[in-house]
Amino acid sequence: EPEVTQTPSHQVTQMGQEVILRCVPISNHLYFYWYRQILGQKVEFLVSFYNNEISEKSEIFDDQFSVERPDGSNFTLKIRSTKLEDSAMYFCASRQGQGNGYTFGSGTRLTVV
Amino acid sequence: DAKTTQPNSMESNEEEPVHLPCNHSTISGTDYIHWYRQLPSQGPEYVIHGLTSNVNNRMASLAIAEDRKSSTLILHRATLRDAAVYYCILPVGGSQGNLIFGKGTKLSVKP
Repeated sequence: EPEVTQTPSHQVTQMGQEVILRCVPISNHLYFYWYRQILGQKVEFLVSFYNNEISEKSEIFDDQFSVERPDGSNFTLKIRSTKLEDSAMYFCASRQGQGNGYTFGSGTRLTVV
Repeated sequence: DAKTTQPNSMESNEEEPVHLPCNHSTISGTDYIHWYRQLPSQGPEYVIHGLTSNVNNRMASLAIAEDRKSSTLILHRATLRDAAVYYCILPVGGSQGNLIFGKGTKLSVKP
């Protein structure tokens, strides 16, 4: 069964450093998403991406965050200057179309120290 | 945006059916009903989704009320592996459709 692949599975970074989280969505999917989950809290929507542009973003997705689809397969989330409160699990998701379900990756655990 | 209401927690016995309810009284005619689950220490996992008719797949069944204001996720024979938080979600944001997760229902399965 096709999967959404996320790398790395765990990343530790120092406060103020830039991080890039990588995702490979399912190949024929057209809609891409990033979510995060702080330990013990709800899954939170960050951003949606379609047709090479951001469709919608939440209040969490401020100027420190950016997304990119640099080629036909990768979808990345960049955090420019990490803060302690950015420590969370980050999940990438994709779906084929409006009437389809979402497939999530297994996540990247980001730890900011 | 249509919201959903689910019980905070439910318990089931292993190998028995489980019916997880969800109310969505403000649903619009074009809103799909999605169900996801999150096992401990894992990411969300797609379970099933539907629009008007009942749906079946290898994981579960989705029963949608005739007025679409409620739905029920049915696990036909619960296993210990089905212990998870189950989320009933109506994607928001038009055709782009973003999932907004609530607290869901925490399902415990007793051996």
